This record gives sequence, structure tokens and C-alpha cells, in this order.
Amino acid sequence: KAGVTQTPRYLIKTRGQQVTLSCSPISGHRSVSWYQQTPGQGLQFLFEYFSETQRNKGNFPGRFSGRQFSNSRSEMNVSTLELGDSALYLCASSLDPAGLETQYFGPGTRLLVL
Amino acid sequence: AQKVTQAQTEISVVEKEDVTLDCVYETRDTTYYLFWYKQPPSGELVFLIRRNSFDEQNEISGRYSWNFQKSTSSFNFTITASQVVDSAVYFCALSGSNSGYALNFGKGTSLLVTP
Repeated sequence: KAGVTQTPRYLIKTRGQQVTLSCSPISGHRSVSWYQQTPGQGLQFLFEYFSETQRNKGNFPGRFSGRQFSNSRSEMNVSTLELGDSALYLCASSLDPAGLETQYFGPGTRLLVL
Repeated sequence: AQKVTQAQTEISVVEKEDVTLDCVYETRDTTYYLFWYKQPPSGELVFLIRRNSFDEQNEISGRYSWNFQKSTSSFNFTITASQVVDSAVYFCALSGSNSGYALNFGKGTSLLVTP
């Protein structure tokens, strides 16, 4: 079974731009969560989607948004990029809502904001 | 609030040594879940183990073993006879209803195994 895939793997943007990251979960998994990893803050939860609905949200500004499609694929968008948004963005999928099932992670998208 | 503390920032051992990675957690949930993930240089988080709060049985998987002690709120991870391929950052994580079951990660322990 294929694992979680994320595209693109690497991205360079400039301040003020916006970016969209994509995540395809493991086949059959309906829950997708997003995490941000930075050297200073570590791994932080962004949001979780289940059946196209945002089920949980972390403590991030409204510039960070996401959505989930009917095939469970998910996208996250960051608008008006700031230097501090440079990070590894990890997507995780699970069979059912996170917590009831183990989350499996993708390889991540490394975003550099200049 | 939930909190995971991995006090060891970096550990360096010589191959074949045993090494224990410490994890201490705080939670108000009566039911919660504990995890260990491994992050090699490539960046992907690799799932190692999940433990439910009501199951304190220790687990062994090959060279890996986990010691869960509710009394001390600890979930420690031991690698026996370490190998160079074990070099990675290891994260302990906690989830429970208090956080909507989002994973709360510790800061991670960077393990370097040298030949």
C-alpha cells in the first residue's frame, strides 16, 4: 500500500506570496492532519480534516487554512507568507479521526520563505 | 493542558551500546495515547509504537523496547545493541480528548550512533 504522499517536496517563496501544499493520504484513510515543524517551536499541530470537515484546529493565525476533498486528499494554504513560515510541513493520515487510530506521516514539504 | 518532555536533547553512543530515551508527560485526560516516532535525516516521521493509557504492558520489538509507567508518567524507549542506522531524531507524542486528539510532541532527542 502506498504511503502518504506530499507535493511539492521543496518550495521557495518570497514574503507576501501565498502557497498551496498538497497531501494524498494512504488509501482508505479518511482523516488528514497537518503539522508544522521548525527548529524553534518543534512540531506543532495545524489542523485536522475528516470527511471534508475541519474537525480540529491548532493555534495558528487565519493565514493558514486547509481543505479536504471527497477523495480525502487535502490541501493547506498559507497566504501572505512571512519569514517565520519557513518550515517543514508534515501531513499525516489515519483511518478514522486522529486519536482513535494511529497517524502515519508523509515525507513533508520544505518551505523556504525569502 | 498536555505536555511532553524529552529532557535529553542529544545522545551520542558507540555502536552496540544500549541507549534509553526518556519521555515524561502531563495530561488531565483519563484516557490518552502515547507514541514514539523516528525522524531520519530525510524528514519523514516513522511510526514506531502506540500505547493506550489503560495498557501498561511493556513491549519489545526486536532491539526496541518500551517501558510505560503511569505512576511516574513516563514512557521510555530503549534501543538494545544500537546500530548506525538508528541515528535519527526520536519524538515522543501524546494525544487525548483535551487536545481533540491532535498529537502533542516533545522536542525530540537526537541520537547519534557512531561505529
